Amino acid sequence: EDQVTQSPEALRLQEGESSSLNCSYTVSGLRGLFWYRQDPGKGPEFLFTLYSAGEEKEKERLKATLTKKESFLHITAPKPEDSATYLCAVQAHTPLVFGKGTRLSVIA
Amino acid sequence: DAGVIQSPRHEVTEMGQEVTLRCKPISGHNSLFWYRQTMMRGLELLIYFNNNVPIDDSGMPEDRFSAKMPNASFSTLKIQPSEPRDSAVYFCASGGLSGANVLTFGAGSRLTVL
Repeated sequence: EDQVTQSPEALRLQEGESSSLNCSYTVSGLRGLFWYRQDPGKGPEFLFTLYSAGEEKEKERLKATLTKKESFLHITAPKPEDSATYLCAVQAHTPLVFGKGTRLSVIA
Repeated sequence: DAGVIQSPRHEVTEMGQEVTLRCKPISGHNSLFWYRQTMMRGLELLIYFNNNVPIDDSGMPEDRFSAKMPNASFSTLKIQPSEPRDSAVYFCASGGLSGANVLTFGAGSRLTVL
């Protein structure tokens, strides 16, 4: 059974304080690892797809990386508008399986 | 494009009542997914359709839950009878042919069963 574990559950950062979110996964035949952002009262919004170990993707202050067992979402010099829940999902032979997310709060 | 449209946004009902949630996917997308989100369990897949055909409904918790997709532009998720443990946010998402793995989610329907 595909499993996704995200840590930490919640993270509080000062504006400008860089950090990383972790996504560990157990899946047979990974086809893709996905990162989504979810704001309160809204649906998840797609950020990145990573397909193979060593791959990296960047978008503004976010950079996602992938190894054979985990993915990291690095946040560089975050701003308050980066506050959200970040969800990781994997796809093998079934539709996306999501982790429970990391709630990020960035304080000005 | 207006994105994935769900209705109602909020539903409060009493135990035993029938609940119908509706979804209009993005035009041209051929896959549609129903997820349920709770604090305890996160996002769970309930059922998904390809080209209007249900492919996997193993995530549907009980026979009280049913889903239909009568055409490419409309899907419903029905709960009958509803129970308090069904309280959650229900999301519909759709995916296209070339990017079927990249899902676009609706804003969700928050269901409260008293």
